[in-house]
Amino acid sequence: GAGVSQSPSNKVTEKGKDVELRCDPISGHTALYWYRQSLGQGLEFLIYFQGNSAPDKSGLPSDRFSAERTGGSVSTLTIQRTQQEDSAVYLCASIPAGNEQFFGPGTRLTVL
Amino acid sequence: QKEVEQDPGPLSVPEGAIVSLNCTYSNSAFQYFMWYRQYSRKGPELLMYTYSSGNKEDGRFTAQVDKSSKYISLFIRDSQPSDSATYLCAMKYRGANNLFFGTGTRLTVIP
Repeated sequence: GAGVSQSPSNKVTEKGKDVELRCDPISGHTALYWYRQSLGQGLEFLIYFQGNSAPDKSGLPSDRFSAERTGGSVSTLTIQRTQQEDSAVYLCASIPAGNEQFFGPGTRLTVL
Repeated sequence: QKEVEQDPGPLSVPEGAIVSLNCTYSNSAFQYFMWYRQYSRKGPELLMYTYSSGNKEDGRFTAQVDKSSKYISLFIRDSQPSDSATYLCAMKYRGANNLFFGTGTRLTVIP
């Protein structure tokens, strides 16, 4: 079946604007993660959803970042008042039972 | 100090060479160890998964975990140009919600 999809694939925005990133997980996967991948920094955990609730938001770098998940499926990551240091690839992963995380292709965010 | 350390490379090898990729870590609670392969502009894909110490082989790939040294390795035999990618180690401790990743090693296999 289809894998994890993310949209947009690329987003260029001006500093101070808000952006919304979307993740469509694999159908039936109950857990969903957001990561950020910056050059030379590896993947940085942002937030974890189990169903529609987010028991672990510890990775969100500031209160400008928020995420929600509806219907146990689609998730959106919102970044308000974007800053240049927010430029990165934002990756979403969904998980069935077990530990394997299936990643989407990511959204490449560039803040000018 | 980062919890997971990985040499970013880049690493270039000729086709057919044996490749050794390594990570060290500081948290002795890590029990689940993974290697992901990430092609350019794609998301990471799981390559190998190991629980606790020991070796695991899958085709040309062998993963090793040495918990006493806090050191994990991925070996690629008979490397192919299609193996050119970034390889990320990742690990998790029991009860954790997320994976802890290394920075990734960029590998190029030259035909």
